Amino acid sequence: GAVVSQHPSRVICKSGTSVKIECRSLDFQATTMFWYRQFPKKSLMLMATSNEGSKATYEQGVEKDKFLINHASLTLSTLTVTSAHPEDSSFYICSAPTPGTPMNEQFFGPGTRLTVL
Amino acid sequence: AQSVTQLGSHVSVSEGALVLLRCNYSSSVPPYLFWYVQYPNQGLQLLLKYTSAATLVKGINGFEAEFKKSETSFHLTKPSAHMSDAAEYFCAVSGRNAGNMLTFGGGTRLMVKP
Repeated sequence: GAVVSQHPSRVICKSGTSVKIECRSLDFQATTMFWYRQFPKKSLMLMATSNEGSKATYEQGVEKDKFLINHASLTLSTLTVTSAHPEDSSFYICSAPTPGTPMNEQFFGPGTRLTVL
Repeated sequence: AQSVTQLGSHVSVSEGALVLLRCNYSSSVPPYLFWYVQYPNQGLQLLLKYTSAATLVKGINGFEAEFKKSETSFHLTKPSAHMSDAAEYFCAVSGRNAGNMLTFGGGTRLMVKP
């Protein structure tokens, strides 16, 4: 089956620094990937849609300059949290639809736990 | 527009007992419906999905769900709970068009007592 990986699984950083999270489709090409944020004991909130070769589409209320998304290849999307602050601490999950399936049939990565001190 | 409501943020059952996790949806178009499971510090794993074929959908790990249009429900059930079923469960809905995104419910934490 389709596999989506994320790196790192956990990251701790100091306030004011930037953190990059990678999302890879391991055995398929993904022209579109999605980035979600999940607060403790809460549901997933879609942050943005990452499109290979073009700008990401951000959901309302998500700061584009804060959460930089780059989809440089058909198997890699990156989310960079810039000038991180403690309120950015969260669980970030990416997903991707496999080719030939509707976008709503997504495979999820294992997530990245970000802790900002 | 679409939304999902999961009744009960926490459900506790004894091992071997019936599991029932409730999900009601609202959608302006015929929906696709999904149940996902999330174990601690992990991503989401698809349990099952309804895509307009049979209304009773069987998934992995002995789970099944029934689509009831008249009740706008898609409740998840399992006849006999196992300790390994303890996890967070999310119901999600999307329209049937290829570009439609997933909308998640608030999640239900299932606890299984020995």
